[in-house]
Amino acid sequence: AQSVTQPDIHITVSEGASLELRCNYSYGATPYLFWYVQSPGQGLQLLLKYFSGDTLVQGIKGFEAEFKRSQSSFNLRKPSVHWSDAAEYFCAVGAWNNDMRFGAGTRLTVKP
Amino acid sequence: DVKVTQSSRYLVKRTGEKVFLECVQDMDHENMFWYRQDPGLGLRLIYFSYDVKMKEKGDIPEGYSVSREKKERFSLILESASTNQTSMYLCASSAGGTGGRALFFGSGTQLSVL
Repeated sequence: AQSVTQPDIHITVSEGASLELRCNYSYGATPYLFWYVQSPGQGLQLLLKYFSGDTLVQGIKGFEAEFKRSQSSFNLRKPSVHWSDAAEYFCAVGAWNNDMRFGAGTRLTVKP
Repeated sequence: DVKVTQSSRYLVKRTGEKVFLECVQDMDHENMFWYRQDPGLGLRLIYFSYDVKMKEKGDIPEGYSVSREKKERFSLILESASTNQTSMYLCASSAGGTGGRALFFGSGTQLSVL
């Protein structure tokens, strides 16, 4: 089965600074890649997804992610972080049959 | 909007009890999922169903079973609850067809097994 690694358990950035969250996947075919966000006490919300075409995808809340096949990566970025972005972020990889596996998550703290 | 409803937000059970977690979706989705979420471990797939009465094991099916008798309902069953099954359980659904379907999640059930 496919799998996801999120190397960073916890990241702290200052408000207004840029952000990059790392995600590496393992899958034998073309992957379907997703980023979800979970705010404290809330459910998971889809930020963006990729499965073909332009390798730089735009999502909601000013987030973007870049698919790099050679590195098996799908890193999430945001140019300027807001305090409301503090949350846990999950990368996920989907298979051809819609089976979906998630990473362990990265918790983002935003300093004032 | 897609709505995925989990029957209980909080549940407290005793060791050895049989526990049923219910999930209902209202968007005629073919796929339904059960995950458990634990700090530091993220979401781990327990079972996945792609059609009525059809199921696939995920990464951690031991100690769990599932039932999908109707398209909109997917139940997770803990045959004999144990303390290591204390966790947040998340149900999700997605449309059928080729891959790349985003999941829609319920609010979760926090299960405590004492």
